[in-house]
Amino acid sequence: GQQVMQIPQYQHVQEGEDFTTYCNSSTTLSNIQWYKQRPGGHPVFLIQLVKSGEVKKQKRLTFQFGEAKKNSSLHITATQTTDVGTYFCAPYSGTYKYIFGTGTRLKVLA
Amino acid sequence: DAGVTQSPTHLIKTRGQQVTLRCSPKSGHDTVSWYQQALGQGPQFIFQYYEEEERQRGNFPDRFSGHQFPNYSSELNVNALLLGDSALYLCASSLGPQVEREQYFGPGTRLTVT
Repeated sequence: GQQVMQIPQYQHVQEGEDFTTYCNSSTTLSNIQWYKQRPGGHPVFLIQLVKSGEVKKQKRLTFQFGEAKKNSSLHITATQTTDVGTYFCAPYSGTYKYIFGTGTRLKVLA
Repeated sequence: DAGVTQSPTHLIKTRGQQVTLRCSPKSGHDTVSWYQQALGQGPQFIFQYYEEEERQRGNFPDRFSGHQFPNYSSELNVNALLLGDSALYLCASSLGPQVEREQYFGPGTRLTVT
């Protein structure tokens, strides 16, 4: 079955530093969603990527879909304490199902 | 405009018991998916309901069943509870049958099995 790995598993950064999480799939993806889950909270939708090589930006967040559509990344520029949480990629696995990755837990030190 | 709501917030059950969790989707949404999230893990897809039918199921045993009502609300039932069923159960709603849709998650129900 489809395997989805996110790296790193944990990341501690100083406030103001950049952060990147990578999502790798064993199969080619049709689309991928990204979610953020604050500690004690629920996943909140961030973005959806569909096209090969697609890059989308939301303020300090940059999302990228690999050319081969097997990987994706989320980059945060100049992290803030409000960025704390776990970031999940969720590739579409076919037949109405999204498979969530293992997540990257981000801690921002003020 | 109410978002996704779930009840109860917390629940403590004993091994072997049965539990029913409830979800009301975001206003206007007709598709409901259920996920199980163990501590420190990503959400695992249980099943999805659309037009009162289960149209996809994840790798969960038959002890997990569900239902969707004509008003699009949904229930998740778990029979013969095991200790390993302890988790946060999340409901997510989306609009329409297309899969490329943003999912809105509810706050979840924290189930503890003792």
